[in-house]
Amino acid sequence: TQLLEQSPQFLSIQEGENLTVYCNSSSVFSSLQWYRQEPGEGPVLLVTVVTGGEVKKLKRLTFQFGDARKDSSLHITAAQPGDTGLYLCAGFYSSASKIIFGSGTRLSIRP
Amino acid sequence: DTAVSQTPKYLVTQMGNDKSIKCEQNLGHDTMYWYKQDSKKFLKIMFSYNNKELIINETVPNRFSPKSPDKAHLNLHINSLELGDSAVYFCASSQDRAGYEQYFGPGTRLTVT
Repeated sequence: TQLLEQSPQFLSIQEGENLTVYCNSSSVFSSLQWYRQEPGEGPVLLVTVVTGGEVKKLKRLTFQFGDARKDSSLHITAAQPGDTGLYLCAGFYSSASKIIFGSGTRLSIRP
Repeated sequence: DTAVSQTPKYLVTQMGNDKSIKCEQNLGHDTMYWYKQDSKKFLKIMFSYNNKELIINETVPNRFSPKSPDKAHLNLHINSLELGDSAVYFCASSQDRAGYEQYFGPGTRLTVT
């Protein structure tokens, strides 16, 4: 069974702090995506990483794809209440046209 | 304009009934998906269609039958509903079967009583 494990499952921090969320698998992915989901809505794509070692930045969010393309991290600098939500990573296997989603990290930023 | 729309938003029904959820995308995408998100927020792919052709069919009970009348629509029909079918069902689309940049609908919360 192919699994994508995210850690931590839950994270509650104070506004202004930094945090990192991890997404790990034993499988190699063609690409990996990060999504954010708010209550009552569908996930919204934040970024896609394709190349091993790739780093992408989206304002205060930094995404990194592992060199072996098995894992990824999301780092948020100076977290704000608006960052609150469920963060999901998703790995794609192009050979099988298959996508699996991670277990999710529920992030809460306290003002 | 809504990119990916689903109807209904909420669906409450009794065990044993048959129900359908509809999905439409106006993005001109070739590939559409159905996902199930359980109470623990775990999102699992059920089906994927590319240009009306089924390309992903995960281990899903055959009570679930997707239908794609054209590449802008992907409907999900569920027969003989069971309590365990209660979940939020999301439709999504992407430009092609590579799966990059998936756009999700708002979800349909199905409650089986």
